[in-house]
Amino acid sequence: GAGVSQSPSNKVTEKGKDVELRCDPISGHTALYWYRQSLGQGLEFLIYFQGNSAPDKSGLPSDRFSAERTGGSVSTLTIQRTQQEDSAVYLCASSLNYATNEKLFFGSGTQLSVL
Amino acid sequence: AQSVTQLGSHVSVSEGALVLLRCNYSSSVPPYLFWYVQYPNQGLQLLLKYTSAATLVKGINGFEAEFKKSETSFHLTKPSAHMSDAAEYFCAVSDGPGGYNKLIFGAGTRLAVHP
Repeated sequence: GAGVSQSPSNKVTEKGKDVELRCDPISGHTALYWYRQSLGQGLEFLIYFQGNSAPDKSGLPSDRFSAERTGGSVSTLTIQRTQQEDSAVYLCASSLNYATNEKLFFGSGTQLSVL
Repeated sequence: AQSVTQLGSHVSVSEGALVLLRCNYSSSVPPYLFWYVQYPNQGLQLLLKYTSAATLVKGINGFEAEFKKSETSFHLTKPSAHMSDAAEYFCAVSDGPGGYNKLIFGAGTRLAVHP
């Protein structure tokens, strides 16, 4: 597709369950980012993949959160043993490369609700 | 560490009035600065960016921002608000030249435009 695609668009889960969120970046984009958007909190950086380099995981809030990027393309964000405070919109973005002035293209996000 | 502070989580203006959204940053290296906009039910998109060329940057839809190093500010302005400008606006900072592209966002400012 032409843009960043995220699935599912909405996910409702029970506390304690694991969830997987998927991101398909724009073809050819080497950099991929995950952010979390909570009500009133703005965008919180989670993790950043830059080509084949080790990802920057400095924003992951706990060891329940993990992410991988297979083949330099699709990325999956996994949240284990979900808690109610994990409820938020999870945004994925990609950019052509890791140059610091590159524009980020955002997906529409996954709205996660933990009951 | 870099950070961004957006003064005012909500700003309301009349149609035709000046729009001023405030952003102050903190960075240990010369920064690149960005404004992103999120229209209702849409993903974030780049409005404009400062990358150490001209300090006054013009973006889409008549918006502009001025980088002021002495004030560590990057305020967003538009001379005359339009109803279609109602959206949430995010200021962001990244490492400048030689750094890598991890954007740190502010908490956002929701702009309301009334007739």
